[in-house]
Formats: sequence, C-alpha cells, structure tokens
Amino acid sequence: DAMVIQNPRYQVTQFGKPVTLSCSQTLNHNVMYWYQQKSSQAPKLLFHYYDKDFNNEADTPDNFQSRRPNTSFCFLDIRSPGLGDAAMYLCATSRGQGARTQYFGPGTRLLVL
Amino acid sequence: GQNIDQPTEMTATEGAIVQINCTYQTSGFNGLFWYQQHAGEAPTFLSYNVLDGLEEKGRFSSFLSRSKGYSYLLLKELQMKDSASYLCAVRRNSGGYQKVTFGTGTKLQVIP
Repeated sequence: DAMVIQNPRYQVTQFGKPVTLSCSQTLNHNVMYWYQQKSSQAPKLLFHYYDKDFNNEADTPDNFQSRRPNTSFCFLDIRSPGLGDAAMYLCATSRGQGARTQYFGPGTRLLVL
Repeated sequence: GQNIDQPTEMTATEGAIVQINCTYQTSGFNGLFWYQQHAGEAPTFLSYNVLDGLEEKGRFSSFLSRSKGYSYLLLKELQMKDSASYLCAVRRNSGGYQKVTFGTGTKLQVIP
C-alpha cells in the first residue's frame, strides 16, 4: 500500500547531540511537510518542500534544518537538541499544495535526555 | 496571522450525536480540514470543506460557513472508538504558498 513511513518511531538522544529523523513516501507526492507536536498541543508546521522549493516557517528555530534529496525522502535534522525539543515529529505529504488532504506518517517521538 | 478556536474537551454518550465547533479568523482562506487523532498516533483525515455547506461521509459530517468563520464536525451514532482528539485545520494562501494551521484540538470522550 502507498504510504508515508517514518523511522525510527521512537528516538532517544542526549542534550546537544545532533539527531536526524527520516521520512519516506511511496505516494509520489510533490509536497512534504514536517510538523512538531508537543503534548496536548496542535501540530505546528516547521517547514515544507514544494518539489525542491524549501519553505521555512518564520518561527522555526535555526536549530532545525531539513533535506530532501529526492521526491521520496525528506529528513529533519536537529543540530543541538534541547529539552524543549522533546515532542512528536510528524511528516506529511500532499499532491500539490491545494490538495484535499495531507497524508501523515505515524510520527517519531523524540526524547531528549 | 490566524486564530483557530475549538472547545478543549467534550463528553458524549455512546450512540448519541455530538457536534464539535471550530471558529477561525484568517486571511486568504482556502479550505478547512477535520482530522481525528488518537493518543500517541498521527492525525487521520476526516473531511474537507472549501465551499459553504454540509459535506457528509458516513457517520461524519462537516459544515462550513466562510462568512461566519465557522465550521462544525458532526459525529452520529457514537462508538467508543470515537474517543479521540478532533483537530480543526485551516489552509490559507500566504506568500505564494498554501499553509495549513491546526487548532489545538477537542478531546472527545465517549462514555457508555
């Protein structure tokens, strides 16, 4: 089945130790999104790719970066994780920006020690 | 900027009907979504409205009034598995891109 895959499902890292979360999709969608969701809060858009065109939200910390080497894969790099970065990180895709829905992956829960 | 408001929590009885409201303020409106999210899981798509009116899909219906900045999600014949958070999300045109902003969600508890 076509889907959005995130690895790993759970990630533990140390304070200040760089970490990379990955997302892949078999839907061949041209738009990919990264959201951060903290407990009992709304998913917050960090950035998105429209094809290779990268769009960073104005309030996304510089500590967060992203790479999209090809259509199928997108990575979230956290250069120096702080305790406040512990959250669920959700990857989503859509066929075009005006699509009727975004398809979400299962998420990666990040724990920072 | 945007502002999306929905009730924090609701409780309803199995078999009943519940309506979850969402109000929003935004410029460049281009669609409203409802997602269901069970604890610890990713959101799953329920409905999409871009024109005024009611969209029905099985036990779930969603309504939109653009002039009032108002939407609701109607869940009929509630089942215990419907206990989840329901997220209202608004898409807007912004700087050549289309961006989706989520509300904080309404946690629905279905009781026997």
